[in-house]
Amino acid sequence: GQQVMQIPQYQHVQEGEDFTTYCNSSTTLSNIQWYKQRPGGHPVFLIQLVKSGEVKKQKRLTFQFGEAKKNSSLHITATQTTDVGTYFCALKPGGTSYGKLTFGQGTILTVHP
Amino acid sequence: NAGVTQTPKFQVLKTGQSMTLQCAQDMNHNSMYWYRQDPGMGLRLIYYSASEGTTDKGEVPNGYNVSRLNKREFSLRLESAAPSQTSVYFCAHRGGLGSYNSPLHFGNGTRLTVT
Repeated sequence: GQQVMQIPQYQHVQEGEDFTTYCNSSTTLSNIQWYKQRPGGHPVFLIQLVKSGEVKKQKRLTFQFGEAKKNSSLHITATQTTDVGTYFCALKPGGTSYGKLTFGQGTILTVHP
Repeated sequence: NAGVTQTPKFQVLKTGQSMTLQCAQDMNHNSMYWYRQDPGMGLRLIYYSASEGTTDKGEVPNGYNVSRLNKREFSLRLESAAPSQTSVYFCAHRGGLGSYNSPLHFGNGTRLTVT
């Protein structure tokens, strides 16, 4: 079955430091989505990657999709306290029912001012 | 909240009791989902519904039943609650043009404790 590994599980940074979370799949993916969940809140969609090697940016956030479409990363430059939360990747493996979207375990980001 | 109404927000049950979590979306989307979230486990799919009248099992369906009676509503029922079902439950939906790749819109969640 589909194996999703998201690392690290926790990351503590000082404000201004960079942060990266990685999502790795055991199978080739159709696409990958990233979500952010603030403490006590619900997941909110950030972005979707579809093409091999794709790179997308949203202000200080950079998202990458691996060439083999088996891994992805989210990088935050110069973290701010507003970046605090849990970041999830969500993926749909190739060949599976389009309805099933599997989430990674999430990376909990703490930013110290 | 992204057109999703999820009730109740909090619930405490005793082992063996039953309850239904309600979810309604007003965006006329086809697909609806129920996830549970536990510390360190991420979001795990319980059931989903690709369209009105259809439902499919996700990763952790045991102990749950769902009902998709119309396009707007998707309910999750616990027939005999167990402490292992203590969790935060999220309803989500997606659809519209290109729904194959569209994002999920989540409700605010239901925090359920089973004692």
